[in-house]
Amino acid sequence: QLQLQESGPGLVKPSETLSLTCTVSGGSISSSSYYWGWIRQPPGKGLEWIGSIYYSGSTYYNPSLKSRVTISVDTSKNQFSLKLSSVTAADTAVYYCARQEKWELPIDYWGQGTLVTVSS
Amino acid sequence: QSVLTQPPSVSGAPGQRVTISCTGSSSNIGAGYDVHWYQQLPGTAPKLLIYGNSNRPSGVPDRFSGSKSGTSASLAITGLQAEDEADYYCQSYDSSLSVQFGGGTKLTVL
Repeated sequence: QLQLQESGPGLVKPSETLSLTCTVSGGSISSSSYYWGWIRQPPGKGLEWIGSIYYSGSTYYNPSLKSRVTISVDTSKNQFSLKLSSVTAADTAVYYCARQEKWELPIDYWGQGTLVTVSS
Repeated sequence: QSVLTQPPSVSGAPGQRVTISCTGSSSNIGAGYDVHWYQQLPGTAPKLLIYGNSNRPSGVPDRFSGSKSGTSASLAITGLQAEDEADYYCQSYDSSLSVQFGGGTKLTVL
């Protein structure tokens, strides 16, 4: 059974960079055709797609966040990561890592989510 | 503001039928992209409920059904139960290679 687990600081200061890692277990992150992504949910609000990375390294970002987002893969550790720069309080959210088997297929696996608060 | 529009809330009594709409445009749902639906219980990650417009993953009761027409999609829940009280999200794709979510609908079982 595939499992995804987010990890990283729960508190980030304004203007700094938010960094999260998703560790994948029960399967290989480098298996062909899979997309690995990040989705966030501000407290009491809806889901927002941040971006996705294909197993080959191609990236796809939400246009509204593109200038601040970097998603990368470390196949040796079976992990993928999110970096979001210049954060503000508006970036406070539960951050989920997730998997899609193919681009137009649904998100079939989700991490449990991790709350990141942006505050000084 | 979400690109896919859902009603903020719907409600129904136990046993009743409710529907949740998801309205997009010619660049997402209307472009032929499939719509998927997720159920999110409080404090948990979303769970896939309907995929490919109308297909149920294994384990999802047949009380849940989905449909798509033109630039819109709908989720129907029949025989409403207290355990169905949750937030529901539609999701599709955009021709600019973006993943799109609806704003979410809170279902209240009266």
